[in-house]
Amino acid sequence: GAVVSQHPSWVICKSGTSVKIECRSLDFQATTMFWYRQFPKQSLMLMATSNEGSKATYEQGVEKDKFLINHASLTLSTLTVTSAHPEDSSFYICSAREGPGTSYEQYFGPGTRLTVT
Amino acid sequence: AQKITQTQPGMFVQEKEAVTLDCTYDTSDPSYGLFWYKQPSSGEMIFLIYQGSYDQQNATEGRYSLNFQKARKSANLVISASQLGDSAMYFCAIRPPYSSASKIIFGSGTRLSIRP
Repeated sequence: GAVVSQHPSWVICKSGTSVKIECRSLDFQATTMFWYRQFPKQSLMLMATSNEGSKATYEQGVEKDKFLINHASLTLSTLTVTSAHPEDSSFYICSAREGPGTSYEQYFGPGTRLTVT
Repeated sequence: AQKITQTQPGMFVQEKEAVTLDCTYDTSDPSYGLFWYKQPSSGEMIFLIYQGSYDQQNATEGRYSLNFQKARKSANLVISASQLGDSAMYFCAIRPPYSSASKIIFGSGTRLSIRP
């Protein structure tokens, strides 16, 4: 089955620094990747959708300059949290989907837990 | 726009009993897909079951079945013979018609706790 990996699985960083989270599709080409954020005891909230080779589309209320998304290849998307603050501490989950000619099934990564101190 | 509503924030069930988790949805699309995911404490999203809006029969996957009532716009998850390992968060989700633009939207979730 399709596998999506995330790295790191957890990260602690100091306030004001930037942190990068990688999302990889291991055995398929993901033309579209999604980034979700989940606060404790809450649901997954879609942050942005990225298509390979083009700019990400951000959901309303998500700061594009704070959450930089790059989808440079068909197997890799990165989320960079810039100038992180404690309120950015959250569980970030990526999801990857195959492209035209497929079932457009969406597969989820294991998540990255970010703690900003 | 699509919307998913899960009205049960938490449920306690005795082991080996069946449990029904409620989910209602709202969409203007004639075609859509409904999903249930399980999220244990580790955080990973585990796909459980899928129901297409035009599927004639309710979906089943092992101990999981989906009670799909299209006219009432409900898609309840039924877990038979519950096990201790079923304790987790459960999310109902909807996706508009298959296309390059469609994305999965999640409900608020139900925390299920199985008592031994």
